[in-house]
Amino acid sequence: GQQVMQIPQYQHVQEGEDFTTYCNSSTTLSNIQWYKQRPGGHPVFLIQLVKSGEVKKQKRLTFQFGEAKKNSSLHITATQTTDVGTYFCAGPHSGAGSYQLTFGKGTKLSVIP
Amino acid sequence: DVKVTQSSRYLVKRTGEKVFLECVQDMDHENMFWYRQDPGLGLRLIYFSYDVKMKEKGDIPEGYSVSREKKERFSLILESASTNQTSMYLCASSFLHGGATDTQYFGPGTRLTVL
Repeated sequence: GQQVMQIPQYQHVQEGEDFTTYCNSSTTLSNIQWYKQRPGGHPVFLIQLVKSGEVKKQKRLTFQFGEAKKNSSLHITATQTTDVGTYFCAGPHSGAGSYQLTFGKGTKLSVIP
Repeated sequence: DVKVTQSSRYLVKRTGEKVFLECVQDMDHENMFWYRQDPGLGLRLIYFSYDVKMKEKGDIPEGYSVSREKKERFSLILESASTNQTSMYLCASSFLHGGATDTQYFGPGTRLTVL
């Protein structure tokens, strides 16, 4: 079945350092979504990328969708303690019902002050 | 703002008990989902529903059933709880846009412990 893989599983950074998480799908995706889950919280939607090669920015966060629409990345510039949490990518399930998402296992980011 | 609520934040049950987890959304979303979240395993889909009385199995439906009698409410049922069902359960909802994938809105989660 379809797989969405994320690396790394964990990342510890010093505050002010950059951070990147990578997402790879076993199948071509029509779009990819990114979610953030704060410690003790629930996943919250960040962004959706649709076009091949698309790049979107949200302040210090930069999201990219690969040319082949099989991979994506999230880059945070100059991390802050407020960036702590787990970041998930998710793509439409390759089967009936494109409203179903397949989530990666997430990258847990820790920021050392 | 979309609001997805879940009946309990924390729940402790005994092995063999029947457990009901309820989820309510207030945005008239067609789709509703139940996930469980375990460390290192990410979010795994248990069941989803795209309409009242309609349900589809997700990746890990064994040991669970669901009910959707009203559009805003989606219930997850553990017929006979077992210790390996100790987990965080997350409900989510989304619009149904034919062919498009809409974002999912999650509830706060229910942390279930089965003793």
